Amino acid sequence: GENVEQHPSTLSVQEGDSAVIKCTYSDSASNYFPWYKQELGKRPQLIIDIRSNVGEKKDQRIAVTLNKTAKHFSLHITETQPEDSAVYFCAASETGGSYIPTFGRGTSLIVHP
Amino acid sequence: DVKVTQSSRYLVKRTGEKVFLECVQDMDHENMFWYRQDPGLGLRLIYFSYDVKMKEKGDIPEGYSVSREKKERFSLILESASTNQTSMYLCASSSSGTGAYEQYFGPGTRLTVT
Repeated sequence: GENVEQHPSTLSVQEGDSAVIKCTYSDSASNYFPWYKQELGKRPQLIIDIRSNVGEKKDQRIAVTLNKTAKHFSLHITETQPEDSAVYFCAASETGGSYIPTFGRGTSLIVHP
Repeated sequence: DVKVTQSSRYLVKRTGEKVFLECVQDMDHENMFWYRQDPGLGLRLIYFSYDVKMKEKGDIPEGYSVSREKKERFSLILESASTNQTSMYLCASSSSGTGAYEQYFGPGTRLTVT
């Protein structure tokens, strides 16, 4: 089955800095890679996703890059703000059949004002 | 507005008790999931269901069972609760529609087994 490794487990930055979270996956059949954000005491929510037919996707201060050859994908947050503080989860899956994502272990991002 | 609800936010049970956690979604989603969330271990899949009365084991099904009698409701059952089942339990749902892969999560149930 799929295995997703996520690094770092904790990331501490100053407000305004950039933050990068990296994930690797094992199954070359995976073609969908979402990122979820979980604020303290709240439910995880999808913030951005990327499909295997593109190498990069941006949404305001957030971007995700994908390297299918190396089987890794990354989340980039620019101009970080205190409200970006949360746990971020990456995931990987195939989109055929019942879609069952495999999640990474999560990265706790702390943005210091 | 998409909504996934769980029957309790906090639950305290004794070792050996039978525990029911319920999840309801109002989006007519085919797929429903139960995850366990522990610090440093991420979201681990316990069971999922892709249709009424259908269920599949996830990565950590031992000690759990599930029931899906109606499309909108997915229940997680701990037949005999143990202290190592103290955790946060998250329910999620998703559509089987092409291109619709987002999972919608419930608020979670923090279960403590004493």
